[in-house]
Amino acid sequence: RKEVEQDPGPFNVPEGATVAFNCTYSNSASQSFFWYRQDCRKEPKLLMSVYSSGNEDGRFTAQLNRASQYISLLIRDSKLSDSATYLCVVKVLRGGSQGNLIFGKGTKLSVKP
Amino acid sequence: GAGVSQSPSNKVTEKGKDVELRCDPISGHTALYWYRQSLGQGLEFLIYFQGNSAPDKSGLPSDRFSAERTGGSVSTLTIQRTQQEDSAVYLCASPLLGEDYGYTFGSGTRLTVV
Repeated sequence: RKEVEQDPGPFNVPEGATVAFNCTYSNSASQSFFWYRQDCRKEPKLLMSVYSSGNEDGRFTAQLNRASQYISLLIRDSKLSDSATYLCVVKVLRGGSQGNLIFGKGTKLSVKP
Repeated sequence: GAGVSQSPSNKVTEKGKDVELRCDPISGHTALYWYRQSLGQGLEFLIYFQGNSAPDKSGLPSDRFSAERTGGSVSTLTIQRTQQEDSAVYLCASPLLGEDYGYTFGSGTRLTVV
């Protein structure tokens, strides 16, 4: 089983739509959780951290369910500029290190006019 | 510097040649990570540095891959005897603020082995 699994997509939605991405992770010792955004041929950029209490940043809402090992991202009123690949990311401690980020393969979103 | 810098941005090399990829992390940051992303694939962890030492190099795919960091700053990833399957984008990252704030990535080196 992959450490981080996401809906493969692509998601094709009209402007203004609400779209939800789901992600599951396998390591119950995962410590921190993030959503990253990656535009075509660009590096990933942090979109938002994800907390157990849920958190919102404008049109974006992230949720974490530790019991189910499930993470979600909701985008409301989607814009053309939201078109990108959304990466679900967890931080896992390994050995004596500070841990590293494990990335899902991403879900591609295409917002159409 | 203010961000993570990587060079070169693009590298085309012949199969069997050695290549060196450079990362200059955020100034003063002691942690540094290397990842790679093959076409259509997710990011794959390669190695983690804390200062000049590498507590976790578990992601290096073979002994043709090595990395070093000197002076707690610039890191070099070396691939010896490159193979076509080494073609990928190699990304370097520094933690943002604290570890729980995620990482910021450089723009990467796109390596093509022909």
